[in-house]
Amino acid sequence: EAGVAQSPRYKIIEKRQSVAFWCNPISGHATLYWYQQILGQGPKLLIQFQNNGVVDDSQLPKDRFSAERLKGVDSTLKIQPAKLEDSAVYLCASSVKNEQYFGPGTRLTVT
Amino acid sequence: DQQVKQNSPSLSVQEGRISILNCDYTNSMFDYFLWYKKYPAEGPTFLISISSIKDKNEDGRFTVFLNKSAKHLSLHIVPSQPGDSAVYFCAASVGGGGADGLTFGKGTHLIIQP
Repeated sequence: EAGVAQSPRYKIIEKRQSVAFWCNPISGHATLYWYQQILGQGPKLLIQFQNNGVVDDSQLPKDRFSAERLKGVDSTLKIQPAKLEDSAVYLCASSVKNEQYFGPGTRLTVT
Repeated sequence: DQQVKQNSPSLSVQEGRISILNCDYTNSMFDYFLWYKKYPAEGPTFLISISSIKDKNEDGRFTVFLNKSAKHLSLHIVPSQPGDSAVYFCAASVGGGGADGLTFGKGTHLIIQP
């Protein structure tokens, strides 16, 4: 069974630029999550989707971050404009029952 | 305000001995707890979990203990093996089991020495 796929794996941008990350969850997983992991910290939930509906986006900085999950499968997370403090690994996960499966993450560096 | 705390950034254990990783939480609404293991450049992988209705869960070499009154849980690995060297994250959720959004600790880097 293929795991959660994410791209790109690495991205370097300048502050005030825009960036987008893509996630393809495990086939059949209805729930999808985006987490932000800053260096030295644990992952922090940004947004949770159930199919193509948002379940929880309370920690998403909505002035600059947006996410969508069209057709309830793939998802994209966008940052516009990026700030230095957005440098982090962005992890996508999908779940079935009581277990979340994480992708390898996208490491974003904002200079 | 950190709701899940792992106060030991790193832990070094000799191969074959017991590794004990600790986690404390402050939110009394948490009712499901999980441990994840992470290797460099990979996403976290699920290791073991425990519901708040239990005080112990065992899976092979891994055992998780939950002390609700102390708001404390621990992960025991016996015996420790070189492949166990990784960062271990404690995580918790409210009402949704492991499928709800998780609150993670900062992680403990476990180093198994030969």
